[in-house]
Amino acid sequence: QKEVEQDPGPLSVPEGAIVSLNCTYSNSAFQYFMWYRQYSRKGPELLMYTYSSGNKEDGRFTAQVDKSSKYISLFIRDSQPSDSATYLCAMSAYTGGFKTIFGAGTRLFVKA
Amino acid sequence: DAGVIQSPRHEVTEMGQEVTLRCKPISGHDYLFWYRQTMMRGLELLIYFNNNVPIDDSGMPEDRFSAKMPNASFSTLKIQPSEPRDSAVYFCASSLVPQPQPQHFGDGTRLSIL
Repeated sequence: QKEVEQDPGPLSVPEGAIVSLNCTYSNSAFQYFMWYRQYSRKGPELLMYTYSSGNKEDGRFTAQVDKSSKYISLFIRDSQPSDSATYLCAMSAYTGGFKTIFGAGTRLFVKA
Repeated sequence: DAGVIQSPRHEVTEMGQEVTLRCKPISGHDYLFWYRQTMMRGLELLIYFNNNVPIDDSGMPEDRFSAKMPNASFSTLKIQPSEPRDSAVYFCASSLVPQPQPQHFGDGTRLSIL
């Protein structure tokens, strides 16, 4: 079993839809939870960063962490064609040094 | 802010050759990471540095891989000798304390070993 599981998709939605992206994990030591967006032939870009459980909102993006269920989500409201990209979840634990594990990424297509 | 700068952007070489990838992190960032991305294995951490000192190199696949950070503004990842299975996109990233997780990625070096 991988430490971080993420459905690779692709996920295709119409413009304006609410998008829900999810990851599950197995290591209860993870404390930091991140979402990155990666456009084709570009490096990942950090979108959201959360410590421990709870919600965090930034514009059209909301990140949720449920440590009891080992489940994290990213919601995108009013999705736009420019949101079409691969979204990677990532998680970190401090075990003498920081270890960040990335999910496989979900490809999202937002159709105009 | 110029961002993380990687060179070259593309590299095609024959197996057995030495490959050197270069990275200039964002000025003032304390952490530097080298990642490798493939379709099969996704994004994998190879090594990371804190204040120019290697902290965790457990992700370096073999002795053929080595990384250095001689100063705060430059790092190299070297593969010698290269093999076709090393073909991947290699990313460098940097971060500023207190967030040690990779914050800013470069656009990567697309490496093909023939």
